[in-house]
Amino acid sequence: SQELEQSPQSLIVQEGKNLTINCTSSKTLYGLYWYKQKYGEGLIFLMMLQKGGEEKSHEKITAKLDEKKQQSSLHITASQPSHAGIYLCGADGIGNQFYFGTGTSLTVIP
Amino acid sequence: EPEVTQTPSHQVTQMGQEVILRCVPISNHLYFYWYRQILGQKVEFLVSFYNNEISEKSEIFDDQFSVERPDGSNFTLKIRSTKLEDSAMYFCASTESRSGELFFGEGSRLTVL
Repeated sequence: SQELEQSPQSLIVQEGKNLTINCTSSKTLYGLYWYKQKYGEGLIFLMMLQKGGEEKSHEKITAKLDEKKQQSSLHITASQPSHAGIYLCGADGIGNQFYFGTGTSLTVIP
Repeated sequence: EPEVTQTPSHQVTQMGQEVILRCVPISNHLYFYWYRQILGQKVEFLVSFYNNEISEKSEIFDDQFSVERPDGSNFTLKIRSTKLEDSAMYFCASTESRSGELFFGEGSRLTVL
């Protein structure tokens, strides 16, 4: 089965700082999704990347997909307390399965 | 904006009891999924459902679990005889196409005592 490893596992940053979360796949990525989960709540779709080298931005969040490295990164610029939560990458697997990464817990200190 | 809705938001049950978690996917979506997240752990795939039958299931989805789409709008997950380790947040998701964006519900928190 496909494994998605995220790093770091947790991150504590001061408000205003930039940060990067990585997602590395054990297999070739054909589509990579980023979700955010507020603690104890549902999953919010952030972005979907499908092409090698693709980069997408939404407000202060930018995600890139590097198919050669089987990796994606999520970058937050000038972090705010509202960015706090768990960030999950996800990918299409074989058949109809969809796999999630191990998750990165982000805390932003005001 | 259309959304996936789940009920109940939280259910507390005694070990051995049957539980049904309900989901209403987005109306034009064709693929349906259940995931679970044990507190502090990763989100795990349980089952996918397409064309009124299970298309994929994980090793977690054993005989205690079943899914159904009884009336064309609801998509249910039944746990026949709950165990303590079934305590988790259960997420329903749906998508219009195989490679489309997965839309998730808010989750149903199940606590088994």
